[in-house]
Amino acid sequence: GPKVLQIPSHQIIDMGQMVTLNCDPVSNHLYFYWYKQILGQQMEFLVNFYNGKVMEKSKLFKDQFSVERPDGSYFTLKIQPTALEDSAVYFCASSQTGFQDTQYFGPGTRLLVL
Amino acid sequence: SQWGEENLQALSIQEGEDVTMNCSYKTYTTVVHWYRQDSGRGPALIILIRSNEREKRSGRLRATLDTSSQSSSLSITAAQCEDTAVYFCATNNNAGAKLTFGGGTRLTVRP
Repeated sequence: GPKVLQIPSHQIIDMGQMVTLNCDPVSNHLYFYWYKQILGQQMEFLVNFYNGKVMEKSKLFKDQFSVERPDGSYFTLKIQPTALEDSAVYFCASSQTGFQDTQYFGPGTRLLVL
Repeated sequence: SQWGEENLQALSIQEGEDVTMNCSYKTYTTVVHWYRQDSGRGPALIILIRSNEREKRSGRLRATLDTSSQSSSLSITAAQCEDTAVYFCATNNNAGAKLTFGGGTRLTVRP
């Protein structure tokens, strides 16, 4: 089936540093998402993105977070500066349309903030 | 039942048994997604059921949806070891794009 790729698979950084998580969505998809999952807990929505803009974001999407997809390249989640509570697995997803469509998830980036 | 539960629930069954996982949701939705997540991987959709489908089948999987009680279930018939995974239900908000996930059920199928 359609594949979403995420780079890197793991990242360890010191608190206060900047980190960029990269997502290569399914090629003909137009809607992109980031979700956060803390070990043993439910997956939580962070943000969705369409046509170069953030469409909706949750309370978890702090001011230190930003997303972009410059010129159809990677869809990125940047955290600057990072905090200890940002340690989690971040999943990228994409869908062809935005309304109740199947979202295809990447394998996740495991972020550890020390 | 996995809705409103922030932490993962666990179920362990023997190979060949049937199992049902339940999900109750809080906000109105017209579709429930059931995802499966294998260790170290992202979730993958296994069944999507809409409000005009009280039941939907896919191989050994069967999903039900009761919009009046805001609940859905996923059943696996004759479970096999490869069914071992975490299963999540998820719903869409009114705008349709954002998924809200339940806490998930970690299913272990023993040989």
